[in-house]
Amino acid sequence: GEDVEQSLFLSVREGDSSVINCTYTDSSSTYLYWYKQEPGAGLQLLTYIFSNMDMKQDQRLTVLLNKKDKHLSLRIADTQTGDSAIYFCAESKDSSYKLIFGSGTRLLVRP
Amino acid sequence: AAGVIQSPRHLIKEKRETATLKCYPIPRHDTVYWYQQGPGQDPQFLISFYEKMQSDKGSIPDRFSAQQFSDYHSELNMSSLELGDSALYFCASSPVGDSYEQYFGPGTRLTVT
Repeated sequence: GEDVEQSLFLSVREGDSSVINCTYTDSSSTYLYWYKQEPGAGLQLLTYIFSNMDMKQDQRLTVLLNKKDKHLSLRIADTQTGDSAIYFCAESKDSSYKLIFGSGTRLLVRP
Repeated sequence: AAGVIQSPRHLIKEKRETATLKCYPIPRHDTVYWYQQGPGQDPQFLISFYEKMQSDKGSIPDRFSAQQFSDYHSELNMSSLELGDSALYFCASSPVGDSYEQYFGPGTRLTVT
């Protein structure tokens, strides 16, 4: 979506860290999310962060939020081939929980 | 753990026909959202329901309507189908009190020929 932007493609070697970046324009966004979509499958909620936080860690996943720059990132440690998928950044607000998605970043993990 | 159920998973219709997609939210989830994802695109919000009332509306064509029933399942009705309606249609549900958490179903792939 035009309000949420992501780079289209990222390729990493298995075992390396992956960092997927996202920028958004709406400063009133309250919640920011990362979803994973494998080919032909639904959207899996990976993690989310409230706008009053700047970091959240969950096992191999680390989310960083720079609210001043409206920049969100997802770091995947020790990336595995099973992490190959499209990763969508999304935002929503308290006034409406509808998700506004970015265009998705295709992550390819090379053996 | 129970997930969102969508039926059918695949649907093929001809132009000008009608289609009905069904969504069964996770138990104890009271909010349902519908999204449309065209080929190679990001999901676009269509409509949402909270406690059986429409809570928000996005870029949903007038040819489409939806409702949420007393058992919280939802149906998306699509009439006068057009080729451009071919897409993946996702339903998502949110738990009571945590509307910001949305869990998606596997989607219904609609093909209009």
